[in-house]
Amino acid sequence: DTEVTQTPKHLVMGMTNKKSLKCEQHMGHRAMYWYKQKAKKPPELMFVYSYEKLSINESVPSRFSPECPNSSLLNLHLHALQPEDSALYLCASSQTGQGSNTGELFFGEGSRLTVL
Amino acid sequence: SQQGEEDPQALSIQEGENATMNCSYKTSINNLQWYRQNSGRGLVHLILIRSNEREKHSGRLRVTLDTSKKSSSLLITASRAADTASYFCATNDYKLSFGAGTTVTVRA
Repeated sequence: DTEVTQTPKHLVMGMTNKKSLKCEQHMGHRAMYWYKQKAKKPPELMFVYSYEKLSINESVPSRFSPECPNSSLLNLHLHALQPEDSALYLCASSQTGQGSNTGELFFGEGSRLTVL
Repeated sequence: SQQGEEDPQALSIQEGENATMNCSYKTSINNLQWYRQNSGRGLVHLILIRSNEREKHSGRLRVTLDTSKKSSSLLITASRAADTASYFCATNDYKLSFGAGTTVTVRA
């Protein structure tokens, strides 16, 4: 069982909707991540939060807006998405997010997003 | 953008056989990690090998790292049907980047 919880598991939204994906971990980890994964492709890094501050934004379009309210929670706010944004969105956490010293990532089961 | 390239893209073996997959990467790394993903689910960390290590074992898994060739291999011994999954290497320079993955099918 994963110790990173993502909700919802499935989300269908229209291009004009505003929705949010949520992620929670209670392992005391100080780094949290959003990855996007298309079918039969590897996960692609979107954002990294380290000690509740945004440390990496991989040039993600502004229609994706991350938020880290505290060290246990990570949100991804979605607005005006396109059909090509349909994918599995994976949240992960690690003890620290210190760049090249990052260790094991713990992943949630993902939120499968469909944009109509 | 992904840093690791994996080979083969897909592998089909009989239960009990060994499975070997390779990962090549381009830049210097601090560590290299292997993950497993069952269809449509989250990734599970398998093993981490640091740049100053050459080989590491965990249960039926054996990982090697050759920093001079910028390559790593994952060996799964005595495979089981439950090993059917996609396997990704992930290289760590300033961020963790995943390779394209190897899809392993273990036939009963």
